[in-house]
Amino acid sequence: DAGVIQSPRHEVTEMGQEVTLRCKPISGHDYLFWYRQTMMRGLELLIYFNNNVPIDDSGMPEDRFSAKMPNASFSTLKIQPSEPRDSAVYFCASSSGGPSEQYFGPGTRLTVT
Amino acid sequence: GQSLEQPSEVTAVEGAIVQINCTYQTSGFYGLSWYQQHDGGAPTFLSYNALDGLEETGRFSSFLSRSDSYGYLLLQELQMKDSASYFCAVREGRDDKIIFGKGTRLHILP
Repeated sequence: DAGVIQSPRHEVTEMGQEVTLRCKPISGHDYLFWYRQTMMRGLELLIYFNNNVPIDDSGMPEDRFSAKMPNASFSTLKIQPSEPRDSAVYFCASSSGGPSEQYFGPGTRLTVT
Repeated sequence: GQSLEQPSEVTAVEGAIVQINCTYQTSGFYGLSWYQQHDGGAPTFLSYNALDGLEETGRFSSFLSRSDSYGYLLLQELQMKDSASYFCAVREGRDDKIIFGKGTRLHILP
């Protein structure tokens, strides 16, 4: 099993640019989670999907953030426009049958200058 | 509100045993998970407790007391590779998300 796949692994962009992060969950998993991790705020849940449907997006910081899951094998997290305070590591995770045992991707390290 | 409390740092000696505690206050409770994260890496799942008692997986064990809103992760025969951050996480409802604690950084001395 390839595990959760995320791309890109690193992204450096300028303030105001659009950023799209991608995630492929483990095949057969019905939950998908997007997290953001910083030293100051720790690991924060942004949004999660169950069977491709967004269930809770209360963690999405602003309207600049949006996420989609068009099918069971792909999800995107988009930031438009990006700001320096969005700099963080963004993780995608997936699980089967509930949120208790999640498998994380390697993360995308985003730097906005 | 919801809160999870765990020590920010713990130091132990190689070969010894260490316990990382986690207390929680949440509106609902369905279970407690533990994750390990090495520097520069992603969190990896260690264990999940839904019922009171001790769950053992090799050198790692996890304990839960629902009445005390408390759990711990026990690491035995510590190895240098166990140096990492350890997060407890609470599942509030059957199909709900999980909330992560701030993490405990474990330092291991040779």
